[in-house]
Amino acid sequence: GDSVTQMEGPVTLSEEAFLTINCTYTATGYPSLFWYVQYPGEGLQLLLKATKADDKGSNKGFEATYRKETTSFHLEKGSVQVSDSAVYFCALRIGNTDKLIFGTGTRLQVFP
Amino acid sequence: DGGITQSPKYLFRKEGQNVTLSCEQNLNHDAMYWYRQDPGQGLRLIYYSQIVNDFQKGDIAEGYSVSREKKESFPLTVTSAQKNPTAFYLCASSIDAGTGVGYTFGSGTRLTVV
Repeated sequence: GDSVTQMEGPVTLSEEAFLTINCTYTATGYPSLFWYVQYPGEGLQLLLKATKADDKGSNKGFEATYRKETTSFHLEKGSVQVSDSAVYFCALRIGNTDKLIFGTGTRLQVFP
Repeated sequence: DGGITQSPKYLFRKEGQNVTLSCEQNLNHDAMYWYRQDPGQGLRLIYYSQIVNDFQKGDIAEGYSVSREKKESFPLTVTSAQKNPTAFYLCASSIDAGTGVGYTFGSGTRLTVV
């Protein structure tokens, strides 16, 4: 069935370091792909998305490119800040509905 | 401003009691969803509804029930049949027109069995 696999956390970085959080997926057809961010004690917020192969989603310095050949949607940021500390979820949309399948989440901890 | 409101933020339940979690949205979204979040397990879908008066089971529906009598509201009842209800519950909504715009989430309800 359709699924999303994320790298296990926590990912611990110093401020201004480069971030990569890996996400791969298994799906029939051509899913849309999303990254959501969850700050402590809150719900999830949409960070970025891509709807077709080779699309690049970007927001707040974060980027992810939809790679059909490797079935991946890795999240990157060139210089992280302490305020980026949160849990990041990769997700895919299946079929013609908006129902999403989420990965298990990756916790990012950024230290000054 | 439009959004999703979940209440209460914290809820305590005694063993054997049913409790109902509220979810209200004023985004005019057709679809609504309930997820359960446990540490290290990500989000698991409990129930979802694509239109009023209709809903479908998700992956972990046992011990839960929902209703969708109004477009704006999708309450979740955690029944005494749910053996391990302590978790963070998230409600979400989407346009569900197949546009792929993603969900809008509420801020969650943390349920603890005491």
